[in-house]
Amino acid sequence: GAVVSQHPSRVICKSGTSVKIECRSLDFQATTMFWYRQFPKQSLMLMATSNEGSKATYEQGVEKDKFLINHASLTLSTLTVTSAHPEDSSFYICSARDQTGRQETQYFGPGTRLLVL
Amino acid sequence: QKEVEQDPGPLSVPEGAIVSLNCTYSNSAFQYFMWYRQYSRKGPELLMYTYSSGNKEDGRFTAQVDKSSKYISLFIRDSQPSDSATYLCAMTTGGSQGNLIFGKGTKLSVKP
Repeated sequence: GAVVSQHPSRVICKSGTSVKIECRSLDFQATTMFWYRQFPKQSLMLMATSNEGSKATYEQGVEKDKFLINHASLTLSTLTVTSAHPEDSSFYICSARDQTGRQETQYFGPGTRLLVL
Repeated sequence: QKEVEQDPGPLSVPEGAIVSLNCTYSNSAFQYFMWYRQYSRKGPELLMYTYSSGNKEDGRFTAQVDKSSKYISLFIRDSQPSDSATYLCAMTTGGSQGNLIFGKGTKLSVKP
């Protein structure tokens, strides 16, 4: 099956700093990537949809200036949490959709656990 | 009412038991139904994918969709300790515009 990687797998940072998370599709080209956030015992919540070469589409309630998304190539999308605060501590998961374009064919990365002190 | 409802559990069963996991939903436009398995501190892994109503079997896993009742199920036969994980249902209207909507996940523990 298709493989999606994320880096780093875990990050601890001080409040006020920025953190960048990378999402890569390793063996296929992903025109669309998705960023989710998952709080403990909660479902995955879609934050934004990222299309290669264009601006990301953010879900309602997600601050686009705080969560910067860049999708510069067909295999890489990055999420930067700017001026992170303790309430941003969460499990961030990306997924990538292959070029069949169907929502049901999303492949998920292993997730990045962010802890903001 | 949330779009997708799933009992978070936890659900604890002995090894070898048949496990039944369920989700209900409210949006009749959902056409594609998925079950994901998520181990602790890992990303979700697609287990089963079903289009519209009906059953689908893959090894020890069977997915059922009843669109008339807006109810989907995942059955695990001969459950193993390695099946211990959180199981998330997800669904979408399909196509390039429909996003995946997830249930909260049911935490399953299979005791040896």
